[in-house]
Amino acid sequence: EAGVAQSPRYKIIEKRQSVAFWCNPISGHATLYWYQQILGQGPKLLIQFQNNGVVDDSQLPKDRFSAERLKGVDSTLKIQPAKLEDSAVYLCASSLTGGWTGELFFGEGSRLTVL
Amino acid sequence: AQKITQTQPGMFVQEKEAVTLDCTYDTSDPSYGLFWYKQPSSGEMIFLIYQGSYDQQNATEGRYSLNFQKARKSANLVISASQLGDSAMYFCAIEDAGGTSYGKLTFGQGTILTVHP
Repeated sequence: EAGVAQSPRYKIIEKRQSVAFWCNPISGHATLYWYQQILGQGPKLLIQFQNNGVVDDSQLPKDRFSAERLKGVDSTLKIQPAKLEDSAVYLCASSLTGGWTGELFFGEGSRLTVL
Repeated sequence: AQKITQTQPGMFVQEKEAVTLDCTYDTSDPSYGLFWYKQPSSGEMIFLIYQGSYDQQNATEGRYSLNFQKARKSANLVISASQLGDSAMYFCAIEDAGGTSYGKLTFGQGTILTVHP
């Protein structure tokens, strides 16, 4: 079974530029999450999708971050314009049902450096 | 709001010995889930073990066991017979029980485990 795929693995941009990250979850997983992990900290949830609908985006900085999951499969996270403090690893995760069974599967992440 | 505290920034253990990684949590929800994840240098978060708040027995998964003390709000991870490949960052997390936000995990700061040969 293929895991959660993310790209690009690494991205370096200057502040005020834009960037987009792509995630393809495990086949059949209805729930998709984007987490932000700043160096030295634990991941923080940015947005959660159930199929193509947003379940929780309370911690997404909506003035600069956007995310979509148009067909309920893969997802894109965009940052525009980027700030220095956006330097982090962006982790995508998926689960079959979003239940309490530890079935969250993470990708390897996309590491963003903003100069 | 949930909170996870991991007080050990780094831990060292000799190969083949056991090690305990501490985790305390704070939540007002009667039902919750506790998780431990391993993050090697590659960056991927690997699920290790899960404990439900109403589970009567401590969870075990191979060499991993969770010492769950509900009254003390602690969920320590015990790794038995440490291996060199266990060297990684370990995160404790609690699942938000509010509404439909299953899977919304609140993570601690993590503990870096180094296994010495």
